[in-house]
Amino acid sequence: QLQLQESGPGLVKPSETLSLTCTVSGGSINTNNYYWGWIRQPPGKGLEWLGNVFYTGSTFYNPSLKSRLTMSIDTSRNQFSLRLSSVTAADTAVYYCVTLVPVITNLWFDPWGQGTLVFVSS
Amino acid sequence: EIVLTQSPATLSVSPGKRATLSCRASQSVNTNLAWYQQKRGQTPRLLIYGASTRATGIPARFSGSGSGTEFTLTISSLQSEDFAVYYCQQYNNWPEGLTFGGGTKVEIK
Repeated sequence: QLQLQESGPGLVKPSETLSLTCTVSGGSINTNNYYWGWIRQPPGKGLEWLGNVFYTGSTFYNPSLKSRLTMSIDTSRNQFSLRLSSVTAADTAVYYCVTLVPVITNLWFDPWGQGTLVFVSS
Repeated sequence: EIVLTQSPATLSVSPGKRATLSCRASQSVNTNLAWYQQKRGQTPRLLIYGASTRATGIPARFSGSGSGTEFTLTISSLQSEDFAVYYCQQYNNWPEGLTFGGGTKVEIK
């Protein structure tokens, strides 16, 4: 069974770049069986899909954040990563890494990592 | 972008009673809709996909229905562990995007 674990700084300064990594265990990230994705949730608010990366490196981003997002995959480390540039306080959130099956009728999120809280503050 | 509107925002229900949650899409998503449960301080958990198929390990008291633009999540007899926030998510509009509803909080009456 796949397990995902986020890691990265819990505090980022405004205008800087937020960087997070998700480590996958229980299976290989180098597979066409899954998309690897990110979702965030501001404190007390709802869920927002950020984007997905495939093992080939292909990416799909939320159009509203596309200009600031970069996702990548490192098959040698069984990890995938998120970078969000030019952050503001509005980017303060719990960031979850997630898995999706890459079939258009199967694009729900399961499983999820436990999430990591990132504050944007000076 | 497909907008999902969940109602009500908060639902107060007594234990043992039925809860009915609504999710309305701004355009048809066919049956490409999932439901998640999020308890306080926890990670969301997949409940339903394909509008009506329960995920592995989900109790039968949870059921989903609907297609097109109108969807319902029903909890037939609320247990104490069911008090949580519930989100719907559409995946019909791929690769343009995946979107969530704003959530319905189910609280103890």
